[in-house]
Amino acid sequence: DADVTQTPRNRITKTGKRIMLECSQTKGHDRMYWYRQDPGLGLQLIYYSFDVKDINKGEISDGYSVSRQAQAKFSLSLESAIPNQTALYFCATSDLRTGGTLLAGYNEQFFGPGTRLTVL
Amino acid sequence: DAKTTQPPSMDCAEGRAANLPCNHSTISGNEYVYWYRQIHSQGPQYIIHGLKNNETNEMASLIITEDRKSSTLILPHATLRDTAVYYCIVRVRRNTDKLIFGTGTRLQVFP
Repeated sequence: DADVTQTPRNRITKTGKRIMLECSQTKGHDRMYWYRQDPGLGLQLIYYSFDVKDINKGEISDGYSVSRQAQAKFSLSLESAIPNQTALYFCATSDLRTGGTLLAGYNEQFFGPGTRLTVL
Repeated sequence: DAKTTQPPSMDCAEGRAANLPCNHSTISGNEYVYWYRQIHSQGPQYIIHGLKNNETNEMASLIITEDRKSSTLILPHATLRDTAVYYCIVRVRRNTDKLIFGTGTRLQVFP
């Protein structure tokens, strides 16, 4: 989805290096997420943010940190990359909407194209 | 969030309906069923969601059993571009809107 962009798209780095992955969105959504995907597996949530001042850990936050610089930008950092962090990383956004009744609300997450990270 | 069980893979002939099942026997009354798909390492794409009624949109139909313990995603006329991994996710509608992905069903549409 072109409304959610990720940079870089591919990165090869060495063990111990600090890496930053960036995500930008033009959808005007408040909520942003970082996921990682290992080969053959589903996505796992690393961090999520409901607004600029709200950051929350996901299932696998160890070894990662994030920064929500603005509503439209959410960065993921690997402070000291290790080989088992080699994976496909996705950023996503959402905007909680409610329908006419309490139970009608839902949100849909919009994903970026992914960043393929290799740590040697 | 309730756990889901999906077959690891399925095949479907082009032009035929693809019926992808999902079991969610521990689903709670306020948990929604969502379906996403992921086409070859691209970002997942939302397809449809439902609570207890059957739902249809331009992409697919979602049939939820009366006891809500299982559901079926139906792609009425599968095309080669529908080849993807399909994820069934059960999620509570509350302030924390995390998606918990399983391993999904890999649907292969063949000519």
